[in-house]
Amino acid sequence: GESVGLHLPTLSVQEGDNSIINCAYSNSASDYFIWYKQESGKGPQFIIDIRSNMDKRQGQRVTVLLNKTVKHLSLQIAATQPGDSAVYFCAENGDAGNMLTFGGGTRLMVKP
Amino acid sequence: DAGVIQSPRHEVTEMGQEVTLRCKPISGHDYLFWYRQTMMRGLELLIYFNNNVPIDDSGMPEDRFSAKMPNASFSTLKIQPSEPRDSAVYFCASRSRVSAEAFFGQGTRLTVV
Repeated sequence: GESVGLHLPTLSVQEGDNSIINCAYSNSASDYFIWYKQESGKGPQFIIDIRSNMDKRQGQRVTVLLNKTVKHLSLQIAATQPGDSAVYFCAENGDAGNMLTFGGGTRLMVKP
Repeated sequence: DAGVIQSPRHEVTEMGQEVTLRCKPISGHDYLFWYRQTMMRGLELLIYFNNNVPIDDSGMPEDRFSAKMPNASFSTLKIQPSEPRDSAVYFCASRSRVSAEAFFGQGTRLTVV
């Protein structure tokens, strides 16, 4: 299950640097957001989520920031590693709340 | 649990043939989703089920596409007849009713020639 995004925006970072991946979401009614990571040949995997009553949530090396005013979401990865190389998608739950709508994705490339 | 299981992993078929993709969701999950991933359109939701009942099929592109969920542990996505523009990676995902996190399978790469 590759993410076949030849035209995806690409972020290239040096190993050990911090990465910031941005996402603009579309639906002001969304109250739940997830960041997914998709490696080549695999399905999307959950990284971190956040509800709309929060503006920041931290994981082990990742932080998600939510700005509802401008409908913007970001994923920060600290001390980026080669294993972080993948395509990253943000997803929102939209009006119905039961399904996820995905953004277009950003390819992260980590240089050793 | 082994996670969401999809079969086959790869399918190559000729235009006009019927294609059936299969999915076994995670045991106990109430929701099942079928997504399609292409270079041009990214990840698109085709249809989702709640407790085996189709809830929203507005993403199904045409009448050539149909999906069923005869029981809580099995779903199929069928394309009949298939066309080259159906070539994509098809993902199945499931989640429980208490969490909005969807777990994805490895996908089926479909090539229609």
